[in-house]
Amino acid sequence: EVQLVQSGAEVKKPGESLKISCKGSGYSFTNYWIGWVRQMPGKGLEWMGIIYPGDSETRYSPSFQGQVTISADKSISTAYLQWSSLKASDTAMYYCARRESTTATTFFGYWGQGTLVTVSS
Amino acid sequence: SSELTQDPAVSVALGQTVRITCQGDSLRNYYASWYQQKPGQAPVLVIYGKNNRPSGIADRFSGSSSGDTASLTITGAQAEDEADYYCDSWDSSGSHLVFGGGTNLTVL
Repeated sequence: EVQLVQSGAEVKKPGESLKISCKGSGYSFTNYWIGWVRQMPGKGLEWMGIIYPGDSETRYSPSFQGQVTISADKSISTAYLQWSSLKASDTAMYYCARRESTTATTFFGYWGQGTLVTVSS
Repeated sequence: SSELTQDPAVSVALGQTVRITCQGDSLRNYYASWYQQKPGQAPVLVIYGKNNRPSGIADRFSGSSSGDTASLTITGAQAEDEADYYCDSWDSSGSHLVFGGGTNLTVL
């Protein structure tokens, strides 16, 4: 069974750093792209970026380039999303999701349960 | 702003048919995928590609596409279909993914 299990909720202060994780199991972690998606309170889904753990190729949304870092450790089947200096506006639910590919299209077939990040002084 | 445009809210009477649309130039070249999200839950894929349903998704959900518009149709909407629905696809450059703004579906 494919599973993406994310790390637990975090409460941080502005300016602090943070790294959240997404551990894949039940499949070959290196063969599928993992994406990160932000959902601010009461708002829609926003694609942040995506990584291919096999070779660590990473693509960022222009909106998030330079604001976050996406990485992966294939030895432990885990992808990461990190901030060096959090802002209150980073308060959101963050989802990881596995990108599937067919000959015709791609889509997020499996999702993690989400990690709630709260940034408040 | 999103390169994929959805109506913010749509309503449907119980048992009736509803179409939720997603418009964007990139949809002329790429299929949209559709996700259902209920309050407090992670999104769930309901339609991908031309018109494919993942295992476990009711057959009242279907997808279609014409020109720059992709559509998700629910034939015989049920109370449990009340949720937010999002489309996603590649942007016009084909390098970045993008979500539509989401449609809140109310089943009356």
